[in-house]
Amino acid sequence: GAVVSQHPSWVICKSGTSVKIECRSLDFQATTMFWYRQFPKQSLMLMATSNEGSKATYEQGVEKDKFLINHASLTLSTLTVTSAHPEDSSFYICSARDRAYSYEQYFGPGTRLTVT
Amino acid sequence: AQSVAQPEDQVNVAEGNPLTVKCTYSVSGNPYLFWYVQYPNRGLQFLLKYITGDNLVKGSYGFEAEFNKSQTSFHLKKPSALVSDSALYFCAVRPQAYSSASKIIFGSGTRLSIRP
Repeated sequence: GAVVSQHPSWVICKSGTSVKIECRSLDFQATTMFWYRQFPKQSLMLMATSNEGSKATYEQGVEKDKFLINHASLTLSTLTVTSAHPEDSSFYICSARDRAYSYEQYFGPGTRLTVT
Repeated sequence: AQSVAQPEDQVNVAEGNPLTVKCTYSVSGNPYLFWYVQYPNRGLQFLLKYITGDNLVKGSYGFEAEFNKSQTSFHLKKPSALVSDSALYFCAVRPQAYSSASKIIFGSGTRLSIRP
């Protein structure tokens, strides 16, 4: 089946630094990728939708300058958390929609970000 | 507003007994419906989906779900629970599924606990 990978799976960084998270669709092309944030014991909150070759669309309340999203190719999207603060600590999950079968959307394993 | 409701935060079942995790939705158009399972510190694992056709959908690990259009429900069921089924379960809906721009809406999640 289709696989979405995320790297790194776990990262610890110091407050004020930036962290980049990669999301790759391994065996399919994804024109659309989604980034979610999940707080402990809560549901997934959609942060932004990225389309290959164009600017990401951010959900209301999500700071676009803080969470930079780049969807440079049909298999790669990146989320950069800039000037990270402890409140940015969370579980970040990406998802990719299959270009060939648009009803199929696959989720990555998630990245645990801890900002100290 | 479009929404997905999982009315139970937690469901407790004895091993070997049948289980049901409830989900109702309020969306426009003909939605796609999904169930996902999440284990601690892991991403989402796909269980099953309803796109069209037979209202009873069978999925992974012996789970099934019944789509009920009149009651706008998509309850998850399993005839005989296993301790290993203990996890967090999310119901999700993609409204207006024919549109490539439509986004998945997640329920709040239900924690399933199976006691030996």
